[in-house]
Amino acid sequence: NAGVTQTPKFRVLKTGQSMTLLCAQDMNHEYMYWYRQDPGMGLRLIHYSVGEGTTAKGEVPDGYNVSRLKKQNFLLGLESAAPSQTSVYFCASRTGTSGRGLGYEQYFGPGTRLTVT
Amino acid sequence: KQEVTQIPAALSVPEGENLVLNCSFTDSAIYNLQWFRQDPGKGLTSLLLIQSSQREQTSGRLNASLDKSSGRSTLYIAASQPGDSATYLCASAPYSGGGADGLTFGKGTHLIIQP
Repeated sequence: NAGVTQTPKFRVLKTGQSMTLLCAQDMNHEYMYWYRQDPGMGLRLIHYSVGEGTTAKGEVPDGYNVSRLKKQNFLLGLESAAPSQTSVYFCASRTGTSGRGLGYEQYFGPGTRLTVT
Repeated sequence: KQEVTQIPAALSVPEGENLVLNCSFTDSAIYNLQWFRQDPGKGLTSLLLIQSSQREQTSGRLNASLDKSSGRSTLYIAASQPGDSATYLCASAPYSGGGADGLTFGKGTHLIIQP
């Protein structure tokens, strides 16, 4: 299993450009999450999804949109990139049903490093 | 709003020492607490997850404890090795929504084990 994968790994955008980050998981997880990590701020939740076709806002949702058309994919979109969105973006997933007392561990992807100039 | 604090922010110790990393949280209504390791430029690797009903979890040289009433968790690393050098993050999941609403992270402890 590949686990959680993210595309692309690196990207440089100019202010005002748009892009979509793709997260894919092959663990049949119901829940998926997008976080951003900034120096001195730690990881913060942007948006999340508890199932196909559903999304919800996290702590820092402004400037981002998300879609979960397929269970295995969670897309994060930036419609008009701003320098404040320069960050490392992490996707994570977890099962929605606890099996064998596993306790809903979140699994993270390798991250996408985005720079907006 | 949940706030998670990790102390110390950085720690440097000689190889072989036992050490404790601390994590505190302001809202005791948590579903679980998870400890992660992050190497420079890499993603997060899950180390241990403690459910709210548990007091501790162990994996190899790692032991994590949870005291919900005092809002504290500790990660104990026994017989530290240079390969343990990394940033360690703790994160809590809220009890509401069955812990589905994402994690709140501390800012991490940057650990260096000197050979």
